[in-house]
Amino acid sequence: AQTVTQSQPEMSVQEAETVTLSCTYDTSESDYYLFWYKQPPSRQMILVIRQEAYKQQNATENRFSVNFQKAAKSFSLKISDSQLGDAAMYFCAYSPRGGGTSYGKLTFGQGTILTVHP
Amino acid sequence: DAGITQSPRHKVTETGTPVTLRCHQTENHRYMYWYRQDPGHGLRLIHYSYGVKDTDKGEVSDGYSVSRSKTEDFLLTLESATSSQTSVYFCAIKDSPYNEQFFGPGTRLTVL
Repeated sequence: AQTVTQSQPEMSVQEAETVTLSCTYDTSESDYYLFWYKQPPSRQMILVIRQEAYKQQNATENRFSVNFQKAAKSFSLKISDSQLGDAAMYFCAYSPRGGGTSYGKLTFGQGTILTVHP
Repeated sequence: DAGITQSPRHKVTETGTPVTLRCHQTENHRYMYWYRQDPGHGLRLIHYSYGVKDTDKGEVSDGYSVSRSKTEDFLLTLESATSSQTSVYFCAIKDSPYNEQFFGPGTRLTVL
């Protein structure tokens, strides 16, 4: 079974600074997707970024980028120029790419609460 | 906006009563999912559906059943609610070939 671990229950950052959230996962699959989701106090789950395991290039979306280390099974999220609106719970998630019985299921980590200080 | 709504948004019920949560989508997505969110556990998959009348169990399915008689509706039923089922419940759909899922607003369920 796949597992996803976020070892940082809480992180904090000063506004305009950079912060990195960590995630490790365990799988025997070679082809899969990894995601970061953001959950602000509104409770809505928002997709932040996606990484495809077959791509060596790290994904970026504006101020958000990932450091994907496939051999180490590590997938960290870097938030640059942090803003007050980035304060939220962040979840790392894994999904096997293959069809069949995977059906696109997601396995989530426990989450990291990010606080942004003005 | 993936057009996902959940009802009710909040519910308080008593132990032993049946509860049904509804997920409704407007864009004809084939795959739908129910998760529960609890502190320290992230989101965990309860049941999922890969088509009308096609459903299967997830990681934490005990005490829950689902039904999908129409593409747009995916129902989650707690046959006899227990306090351990107090949680926030999310419905989601898969909207891309990259397994991205988009979530409804959630339902906060309290079982007293």
